[in-house]
Formats: sequence, structure tokens, C-alpha cells
Amino acid sequence: EIVLTQSPATLSLSPGERATLSCRASQTVSSYLAWYQQKPGQAPRLLIYDTSNRATGIPARFSGSGSGTDFTLTISSLEPEDFAVYYCQQRSIWPDSFGQGTKLEIK
Amino acid sequence: QVQLQESGPGLVKPSQTLSLTCTVSGGSISSGNYNWGWIRQPAGKGLEWIGRVYTTGRTNYNPSLMSRVSISMDTSKTQVSLKLSSVTVADTAVYYCARGRVGDNGLVDYWGQGTLVTVSS
Repeated sequence: EIVLTQSPATLSLSPGERATLSCRASQTVSSYLAWYQQKPGQAPRLLIYDTSNRATGIPARFSGSGSGTDFTLTISSLEPEDFAVYYCQQRSIWPDSFGQGTKLEIK
Repeated sequence: QVQLQESGPGLVKPSQTLSLTCTVSGGSISSGNYNWGWIRQPAGKGLEWIGRVYTTGRTNYNPSLMSRVSISMDTSKTQVSLKLSSVTVADTAVYYCARGRVGDNGLVDYWGQGTLVTVSS
């Protein structure tokens, strides 16, 4: 199974700041890397797929980059509703796997 | 707008079989463009794929659960079912139903709201 390691575990920032979240894979996942946002009591929501494609309805402040084994989710200017847990997910090799999550909290 | 709704017992005794149903509305589950699966999340922890089923009947199961899991679909009822046998407290989690796009290598685009299953005597 491909292991995804996210860093940092917790990121404390203020609204308006830039957030950079990282995801490293134990082996290459090609471009099959997605990012999900999860708020308490809710199902995850797809933000980014195939490394850098925004899902329908996702604001332009969310962007993804990377290749191979190293990927980044960037939120250019944090809005209050962006504080949540973010998961990366690979679907290159079954079983598709998720990272352990990065909690983005208000500083 | 496709909607997925999980249902089933919220409490299961150890060693018994966990059975959940996902009812899909707003779309057909017969299309070969999609697969249908289950993902779970223990409280305060990350997400784990359980498995998925295709309209052909083919299944993919997580190797860590393969010996205990069965996923099937009933197109006439637009339902997807999960059975997990010999459960232990480690199977306590929120269970999500999910739709994946076959043409996008299984990208999950719709999730159910999730249902909490507690394994306890």
C-alpha cells in the first residue's frame, strides 16, 4: 500500500495568510493525487484532483502542485471557512489511500 | 444532483456482521461510468478505503479487510450494500458511501453524509 505522509500535522494561521500543506508519497503516484477538505461532522469535499485541477465550485484561492511523490496544496489567502482538516489521497495503486490529515486552525 | 444516504444499525456486537445500505437518488447506479464503494473513519482518525463495486459485479477490496468484507449492488433498488463480518471494537467508525468515476481512475466525486457504527457488547 502506498503511504501518504502529510505535514505539518497542525498549521496555525490567521485569516488572510497563505497556507501551504504538503503530502509525500512512499512511491510515485503519477498525477493521481487529490485533496479533500473535511469539516467537523461532515463528509470530505473534493477540492483538487489530478494534482492541480480544481473541482467544480472550488474557489481559485485553492491550488495544487507537485509530481511523482511530492505534492502541495496552497490556499492563497485564508478565509474563515477554510479552517478545517485537509487530506491528500492517491488513486494510482489500489488500495487508494489517504494521508493522515493536516488540521488548519485559526491562530 | 446525486445524493447518497447510508443506513443500518448503529450498534453491532463483537463477532457479529455489520450490514449497511447506501441508497442512491438523483441518478442511476447502472451506468458503467461509475463505481460505488465504502470508506470509513474512526473517531478522530483518518480515512480508510474498505472497497468498491463496479456495475459489472467486479470488486476491489482493501487487502487488510478482504477476508471479512463483501460489497454488492442492487440496481433495481439503486442500493449498494456493505457486509463486514467478525467485527471488533476496531471496526467502530463513521462509514461513508462514495461514488467513483471509472474513467478518472476511481476519483470520488460524491459522498454520503456518513453513518456511525459502534461495535460494543
